[in-house]
Amino acid sequence: QIQLQQSGPGLVKPSQTLSLTCVISGDSVSSNSAAWNWIRQSPSRGLEWLGRTYYRSRWYDDYPLSVKSRVKINPDTSKNQISLHLSSVTPDDTAVYYCARDRSRGGWYFDLWGRGTLVTVSS
Amino acid sequence: QSVLTQPPSASGTPGQRVTISCSGGSFNIGSNLVHWYQQFPGTAPKLLIYSNYQRPSGVPDRFSGSKSGTSASLAISGLQSQDEADYFCAAWDDSLNGVLFGGGTKLTVL
Repeated sequence: QIQLQQSGPGLVKPSQTLSLTCVISGDSVSSNSAAWNWIRQSPSRGLEWLGRTYYRSRWYDDYPLSVKSRVKINPDTSKNQISLHLSSVTPDDTAVYYCARDRSRGGWYFDLWGRGTLVTVSS
Repeated sequence: QSVLTQPPSASGTPGQRVTISCSGGSFNIGSNLVHWYQQFPGTAPKLLIYSNYQRPSGVPDRFSGSKSGTSASLAISGLQSQDEADYFCAAWDDSLNGVLFGGGTKLTVL
């Protein structure tokens, strides 16, 4: 069964780095036909795409301009997982964070989602 | 703020047909594919329609999507109580270099 299992702290202090992991079961992080994404959702910001990593003979990553200076998504082939690192967090980064798969090869849609991790930024 | 505009709410009675609109611009809907997601409270979004009108396996044909110019629509026919959920449109935006989501429409089945 293909699934994405998320883990990480639910509480992060302001100015610190938010780190989450997403273990992939039933597919490969190194698949040549998939891209692995992080998306977050909050009442104030709605759904927001945070970026992706994917393998096409070498590793690539893409990030939206809105968070590019603060976000990094890393693949870990030994554990078949991806991780999200969001630096210098503020209370505005409080959200439910999802990892998601995109197998559309340029269509930019997400057919498999993790269950989500609520992360609160507070001192 | 989202640049894909959806009505915040929609409603219908069982058996009715309802449509949810998604309005964008030339850099997103006007030049890229539109996708729709369904989300129930406390759960992750689920892909409902992809590439403007395609349905993933398992999605009933009561759900359909269309696109015209810089707008897209999701139609649900034969409305059922279990369709009560939030619905989001999404598309790539060439100017922002990222995926955009609509603000979501909460569908109530009366």
